[in-house]
Amino acid sequence: DTGVSQDPRHKITKRGQNVTFRCDPISEHNRLYWYRQTLGQGPEFLTYFQNEAQLEKSRLLSDRFSAERPKGSFSTLEIQRTEQGDSAMYLCASSPLAGPQETQYFGPGTRLLVL
Amino acid sequence: AQSVAQPEDQVNVAEGNPLTVKCTYSVSGNPYLFWYVQYPNRGLQFLLKYITGDNLVKGSYGFEAEFNKSQTSFHLKKPSALVSDSALYFCAVRDSTGGGNKLTFGTGTQLKVEL
Repeated sequence: DTGVSQDPRHKITKRGQNVTFRCDPISEHNRLYWYRQTLGQGPEFLTYFQNEAQLEKSRLLSDRFSAERPKGSFSTLEIQRTEQGDSAMYLCASSPLAGPQETQYFGPGTRLLVL
Repeated sequence: AQSVAQPEDQVNVAEGNPLTVKCTYSVSGNPYLFWYVQYPNRGLQFLLKYITGDNLVKGSYGFEAEFNKSQTSFHLKKPSALVSDSALYFCAVRDSTGGGNKLTFGTGTQLKVEL
C-alpha cells in the first residue's frame, strides 16, 4: 500500500512565473485535500475534492490559484503569477469516503520558494 | 467556526520521563479531534483520533490522548519519552456540524526529548 505522493518535492521559481504541483492520493481514496503550511504555522486548508468535484474552497485560494482533479484520481494545483508570499509548503492529503470522522493521510509536501 | 490552541511552542522533557503536549479546541457541534506529528521537511504523520466513546484514545508509537469535554481539551501523552519522539506535533479539529470536511490545525508544539 503506497501512501500519498507529491511531485516535485522542491520548487524554486522567480516571481511572476507559473508553477504546477501534482498529488497522487492513496488508491481508492475518494477525497483529496490541499493545505498550505508556512514557517511556524500549522497547515491551512485550501480546497478539497470528492472524486472529481471540487466541493469547498478557502478564501485563501485567490484567483491565481486553481486546482483540478479531472478523473477523480490525481490532482494538480497551479499557481499563476507567483508572488513571494506564495512561498510555503503545499501539502496534499487523501481520505476514504467515510464521513467527517475519516482520517486524512498526508503526502510529503512540495516546498515552494519564490525569489 | 472551529479553532485549536496549542499554548506551548516548545516542550522539553528528559528521556524516560512522561510527556504531555497540550491542546484545547472550540467547535459549534461535537468535535472530531486528531494528533499528527511532523519530522523536518516531511509531511504530517497521523498518530491518533477521537471520534466518540472512550475518552482515552490510544495511538501509534505508544502515544495516547485524553478527551475532556468540560475543559474542551485533547492533550497528547506518553508514559515514557524517547529521543526519537523529538518532532513537531499538531492538534487538529473538525466540527461534526457545519465545519465542512476541512481540518483546522493548531500552530504546533515542538517536542524536544533529551538524554
